[in-house]
Amino acid sequence: GAGVSQTPSNKVTEKGKYVELRCDPISGHTALYWYRQSLGQGPEFLIYFQGTGAADDSGLPNDRFFAVRPEGSVSTLKIQRTERGDSAMYLCASSASGTSADTQYFGPGTRLTVL
Amino acid sequence: DQQVKQNSPSLSVQEGRISILNCDYTNSMFDYFLWYKKYPAEGPTFLISISSIKDKNEDGRFTVFLNKSAKHLSLHIVPSQPGDSAVYFCAATGTSYDKVIFGPGTSLSVIP
Repeated sequence: GAGVSQTPSNKVTEKGKYVELRCDPISGHTALYWYRQSLGQGPEFLIYFQGTGAADDSGLPNDRFFAVRPEGSVSTLKIQRTERGDSAMYLCASSASGTSADTQYFGPGTRLTVL
Repeated sequence: DQQVKQNSPSLSVQEGRISILNCDYTNSMFDYFLWYKKYPAEGPTFLISISSIKDKNEDGRFTVFLNKSAKHLSLHIVPSQPGDSAVYFCAATGTSYDKVIFGPGTSLSVIP
């Protein structure tokens, strides 16, 4: 596939459960970003990877949120002890080099619903 | 505190007319500005960008204008087409590897 893919497309879970959201970036892209988008809002930055390392995780709202990219390609966003307020669209994007002027290509997102 | 603002949640324009989407920002350190377009059930897609050293950038029917002194940018679409109906996000970033800050979006409807 040529674009960014995200799985699952929809995830419904119960409050307190653990969830993992997966992102497959465009092949060869070194930079990977996670965003969260609530209804009526724009994407809100969560974390940025350059290769395998988290270059900027300042957007993660609290320590229940964690993300990894162990081999510098696929990334997983992990949310522990989910809360109803975590319900949102989670978007992943990748770019070739990670510079500000570099185009970010977004996946279709994972819609997370916490009941 | 929103650093990137889009004060019009929605805009309706007749096909063939000009669409003007506005964006204001508060952080004077922003150096690069982008517009993304989003259709339902899809992720945002990059549309056009402008560096702070320019005041205008044009790509086909799309033109972005930047007024740094007013901390304001606008996206002009002319002529507007029904396929342009989407949510448009204004975004801004600093130099090098700074994160991108998105505005809340403006939903554009182009009426045939």
